[in-house]
Amino acid sequence: EDQVTQSPEALRLQEGESSSLNCSYTVSGLRGLFWYRQDPGKGPEFLFTLYSAGEEKEKERLKATLTKKESFLHITAPKPEDSATYLCAVQANYGGSQGNLIFGKGTKLSVKP
Amino acid sequence: DGGITQSPKYLFRKEGQNVTLSCEQNLNHDAMYWYRQDPGQGLRLIYYSQIVNDFQKGDIAEGYSVSREKKESFPLTVTSAQKNPTAFYLCASKVGGSNQPQHFGDGTRLSIL
Repeated sequence: EDQVTQSPEALRLQEGESSSLNCSYTVSGLRGLFWYRQDPGKGPEFLFTLYSAGEEKEKERLKATLTKKESFLHITAPKPEDSATYLCAVQANYGGSQGNLIFGKGTKLSVKP
Repeated sequence: DGGITQSPKYLFRKEGQNVTLSCEQNLNHDAMYWYRQDPGQGLRLIYYSQIVNDFQKGDIAEGYSVSREKKESFPLTVTSAQKNPTAFYLCASKVGGSNQPQHFGDGTRLSIL
């Protein structure tokens, strides 16, 4: 069964304290892995797409990496405005894939000043 | 600005009542999706549509219905058969038939009166 597991469920950091969020997946052929940020009461905001193992993407204080079994979202010197829930989703490479995503439950990040 | 508009932001349903959630996009995307988000759970797919006048059930379609009469619109009806409708509903769209990311609206929160 295709599955996405994110850890930890919640993470509390001090401003400037770097850390990583994990997204482990089991899927029958990966077509793409997506990271989103979600603020309370808002829809998910797209951050990154990773397509193959070894790929990395960066945006400001965020860096996403991908292996054959998991992805990491590294947060360097976070600021309070980075506080949000970070969602990971995978798209499987089925024949005739409809582009449907399988989502993890998210990691809620809190950054204290 | 291109984007996805969901309305209303808050909606209340009475017993035995059907309610319709609106989703409009001006991104010229072919594919549109409806998800349900509950606390502590990942996003779950309700219905999706790849082209106008065609749609498919997702993982939790029971008690819901949709239509796709126009490319830019994908309304979701929560029927009285849905016994636990209280949730945050998210609409998304993407370029059809691709591994491009889905983009989300800001959601509708549905509650029971």
